[in-house]
Amino acid sequence: TQLLEQSPQFLSIQEGENLTVYCNSSSVFSSLQWYRQEPGEGPVLLVTVVTGGEVKKLKRLTFQFGDARKDSSLHITAAQPGDTGLYLCAGGRNTGKLIFGQGTTLQVKP
Amino acid sequence: DAGITQSPRYKITETGRQVTLMCHQTWSHSYMFWYRQDLGHGLRLIYYSAAADITDKGEVPDGYVVSRSKTENFPLTLESATRSQTSVYFCASLLGGTDTQYFGPGTRLTVL
Repeated sequence: TQLLEQSPQFLSIQEGENLTVYCNSSSVFSSLQWYRQEPGEGPVLLVTVVTGGEVKKLKRLTFQFGDARKDSSLHITAAQPGDTGLYLCAGGRNTGKLIFGQGTTLQVKP
Repeated sequence: DAGITQSPRYKITETGRQVTLMCHQTWSHSYMFWYRQDLGHGLRLIYYSAAADITDKGEVPDGYVVSRSKTENFPLTLESATRSQTSVYFCASLLGGTDTQYFGPGTRLTVL
C-alpha cells in the first residue's frame, strides 16, 4: 500500500525554470521530511516540517506542509544543474518509522 | 566524525550463498533501519531496531535476518541469497523522539 504519492515521477527542465513537486496522502502525518539523493549516495535530509501550513525556505527551495498535514510540496525557483537528483518525501508519525514516497527524478539541463 | 557507514559498498554473490551487510553508526542513535531501494518501488523498510536487542519486521522482511547486540552496529544477513534480492541497500539511524533519519552511503548487491 503506497500511502504517499509523489508527482511527477520524472521531470526534465531547462536551467532557470521553476518547478513544483507534490507529495500527497489520505493519511495525517506528524511530520514530513524531504530528502535529496544523488547517484551512488544515500538520501540526505533537506528539511523537516511539523506544523500544518508551515512554510520553510532553503535558498531557492520552498517547502510547504498542508494545513491538514496530509500533503506537502517542494518548489524550486530558477533551477540549476546542481539541483539534479532524486527527491524523496517521507511521512512520520512519531513512531521512528517513515513512509516514503516513490520519489521524483529531476534533471536540470544547462 | 564518521556518522553512519556501510560495508561493503559493492558486493557480487551467487544464488544460495549467505551474505552479511554491515552498518555502523557513531552517534549512539537508538533507532536503526535497513531499507532496499529498487526502481519503481522507492525505499522499502526491511527491518528496524529501536534499541540493542530489540528488532522488528518492516514491509519486506522475508529472506533477511538482523541482529543488534551493540547500539552502534546493525548487520543485515541474507541467509540464502536470491536474484530478487539484487538491490541497493541503505542503513539509517535516528535519535529517539524525532522522525528524522540519517542514511548511510548504501551497498549495491548483485546476486547472480
